[in-house]
Amino acid sequence: KQEVTQIPAALSVPEGENLVLNCSFTDSAIYNLQWFRQDPGKGLTSLLLIQSSQREQTSGRLNASLDKSSGRSTLYIAASQPGDSATYLCAVRGTYNFNKFYFGSGTKLNVKP
Amino acid sequence: DGGITQSPKYLFRKEGQNVTLSCEQNLNHDAMYWYRQDPGQGLRLIYYSQIVNDFQKGDIAEGYSVSREKKESFPLTVTSAQKNPTAFYLCATAGGDRPYEQYFGPGTRLTVT
Repeated sequence: KQEVTQIPAALSVPEGENLVLNCSFTDSAIYNLQWFRQDPGKGLTSLLLIQSSQREQTSGRLNASLDKSSGRSTLYIAASQPGDSATYLCAVRGTYNFNKFYFGSGTKLNVKP
Repeated sequence: DGGITQSPKYLFRKEGQNVTLSCEQNLNHDAMYWYRQDPGQGLRLIYYSQIVNDFQKGDIAEGYSVSREKKESFPLTVTSAQKNPTAFYLCATAGGDRPYEQYFGPGTRLTVT
């Protein structure tokens, strides 16, 4: 069964710092990987989606990379801002069961002014 | 949030009562999903539906039931058989122009005492 892990569980950085969030998965047979942001008590907002054939995707200050063979993805946030404070979750979509998404437990990010 | 609405935002029930959570979408997406989120944990799939009048159990379907009579609606009933129903419930959809991404509603927080 696919297992998705996000380390660290929490991260606190000063404003302006560049940072990397990690996501690892045990089964490399994935269809795609999606990064989400979740604010307290809210639903998930999609940030970036990487198909299994892609190596990275960029949107503004965000860059997500995918290394399927090693079972890893990273989310790079440039020049962090207090408004980036939230929980970031990654989810992988299986190849064999296309209808299932496997979620990590998230990294809670706090960007201090 | 976009075109996915979940109501109510907060729901309180006494133990032993069934309760139905609403999920409505106007995105014309074929697939709809129900997840449960507990503090510090990733999302766990309860049920999903790919088309009207068809749905499949996810990883934690016991104590839950769903229906999909209309494309726009996918209500979730939490029955008295669910042993630990207090949680944050999230509805998601996929389809349309970007069928490989999931889109989430704002969630319903259910508290059972």
